[in-house]
Formats: sequence, structure tokens, C-alpha cells
Amino acid sequence: AQTVTQSQPEMSVQEAETVTLSCTYDTSESDYYLFWYKQPPSRQMILVIRQEAYKQQNATENRFSVNFQKAAKSFSLKISDSQLGDAAMYFCAYSRPQGAQKLVFGQGTRLTINP
Amino acid sequence: DAGVIQSPRHEVTEMGQEVTLRCKPISGHDYLFWYRQTMMRGLELLIYFNNNVPIDDSGMPEDRFSAKMPNASFSTLKIQPSEPRDSAVYFCASSNYGTSAPTDTQYFGPGTRLTVL
Repeated sequence: AQTVTQSQPEMSVQEAETVTLSCTYDTSESDYYLFWYKQPPSRQMILVIRQEAYKQQNATENRFSVNFQKAAKSFSLKISDSQLGDAAMYFCAYSRPQGAQKLVFGQGTRLTINP
Repeated sequence: DAGVIQSPRHEVTEMGQEVTLRCKPISGHDYLFWYRQTMMRGLELLIYFNNNVPIDDSGMPEDRFSAKMPNASFSTLKIQPSEPRDSAVYFCASSNYGTSAPTDTQYFGPGTRLTVL
């Protein structure tokens, strides 16, 4: 079975600085998707970024980028120019493609932004 | 698009009562998922549907839980009878597997916070 591990229960960063959240996963599949979701205090799950395993290029979305290391089964999220609105729980998630799409989530990392 | 809609947003009930949670997926999405979030177990999949048909219900904790999807725009998750350990946030999510990008990305509703006293 696939597993996702986030080893940092909590992280903090100064506003405008850069922070990296770690995620590792375990799978025997060669094709899959990886996601980062953000859950602010409103508890809404918001998609931040996604990465297809077959793509070598790391995904980027504005201030958010990932470092995808397939061989190491590592998928970290980098947040540049941190803003107060980035404060939230961040969940790393894995899914298989093509119909077997259930998400397997990590335990989450609580990110605090210090003004 | 209004996104995934869930109702109610909050539900407080007493042990032994029946609870029904509702979900309207994003129009055109052919997959619907029910997740539960607790402090102890994190986010876990309960059941998912494809084209209104249940595909995997291995995450449903016990027979007290049931889910239906009578049509492409509506699903329910029912707990009967409810117990205090069912207290959690229940999320519905939907996705689309097809030729239009992005596919295979799940979009979540706002969740229902259930408290069973």
C-alpha cells in the first residue's frame, strides 16, 4: 500500500522569507500524481500544486514550487515570499492515475507565518 | 462554477440518532469521494463513486455507515446509529477523468463538522 510521510509537524517562517515543507512517499507504481493541499482555519481543502510523476520538470504555481525527486521518492514544497495568508495546515497527497484516484494523505505540517 | 457543495456545514446530534450528510459535486465530474478527518487518524477515504457506482468502500468503518449516489449531482453519507467516535469533519470531493485538463485532481467541498454527543 502507498504511504505518505510528512516529518515536520510544525514549521514557522518570517513573513517574506522562504520555507520548504518536506514530504516522502512510498509506492511501487511508476506512474502517479502528487499534490499539496492547503487547509486554512476555515478547514477548506485547497489545491496548491500538483505534479505528474512522468514529468521531470518541477511544477510551479506563482510563489509555490516543488522539488520532485522520483528516485528518492521525495516531494517538497517551497513557498517563496511567505505571506500571512499562507498560514495553514499543508498536506502532501498521492494518487494513482487513470481511475484509481483515491488520495493518500500525509499527516500534515502546520505552517505559521511570523509578521 | 459553485464548486463542491456540502450540507449541513455543522451538525450536532445525540448518540443513537441518524445523521445524513449531503454533497453536490462539480457539474461534469464523474468521480465523487467521501473523506473523514480526525485528529487521531488524519484524512482517510471512506468511499468513492465513479459514474454514480460505488467503486471502493473499503474505508467505510462499519455497517452503521452507508453512502449512496442516486444521480450525477447528488450523494449522501448516512450514519445510523451515530456514536460519539463518529465526531469528525466529513469532506466530499469530486474529480474528472477525461481529456480536458486538469484531470485527476480532486476538488473538495467545505466539509461538514459532525459532533455526536
